[in-house]
Amino acid sequence: EVQLVESGGGLVQPGGSLRLSCAASGFTFSSYEMNWVRQAPGKGLEWVSYISSSGSTIYYADSVKGRFTISRDNAKNSLYLQMNSLRAEDTAVYYCARTSYGGNLDYWGQGTLVTVSS
Amino acid sequence: DIQMTQSPSSLSASVGDRVTITCQASQDISNYLNWYQQKPGKAPKLLIYDASNLETGVPSRFSGSGSGTDFTFTISSLQPEDIATYYCQQYDNPSITFGQGTRLEIK
Repeated sequence: EVQLVESGGGLVQPGGSLRLSCAASGFTFSSYEMNWVRQAPGKGLEWVSYISSSGSTIYYADSVKGRFTISRDNAKNSLYLQMNSLRAEDTAVYYCARTSYGGNLDYWGQGTLVTVSS
Repeated sequence: DIQMTQSPSSLSASVGDRVTITCQASQDISNYLNWYQQKPGKAPKLLIYDASNLETGVPSRFSGSGSGTDFTFTISSLQPEDIATYYCQQYDNPSITFGQGTRLEIK
């Protein structure tokens, strides 16, 4: 069974940093592209970042470019999101999601809540 | 960036009704369009991929159509368990964008 489990969320002050993790199991993690998608409270879905299966290709939404860094460790079946210079508008539930092919996000984690507030 | 305009933003319908949601892309995206269902407090679930293909295990009352810039998502006979918010999503590598969502309620 495919499982994605996010961790690392919490309360952080504006300007602070946080590192999210996503532990994958039930599939060959190193064969799949991965994404981070976020959802602010009561709002819609916003794609944040993409990483190819090898980690060689990375993309970011303009809203996080230069502040967030996506990475992966295929030996540990783990995906990461390093978030720096956090702002109040980064407050959201962050989901990791697997790409089946193209841009189809076929499996999602349960999400981890990040709250940026003083 | 490609923008997705989804309508309506909310919808109230009765059990057994046919429900239709539309999504319009700001430019031609071929069939690179997916539909997701999100229930409160849960992660989104992929229902339809590449505009019209039903994801494995998804009931056949869900369907999708369209290509280019105009897309439609249909529930042929609304069931109580279909209460959720539905999102369209385009993928035009490298970016992914979602529609604003349609909140579906039972009348």
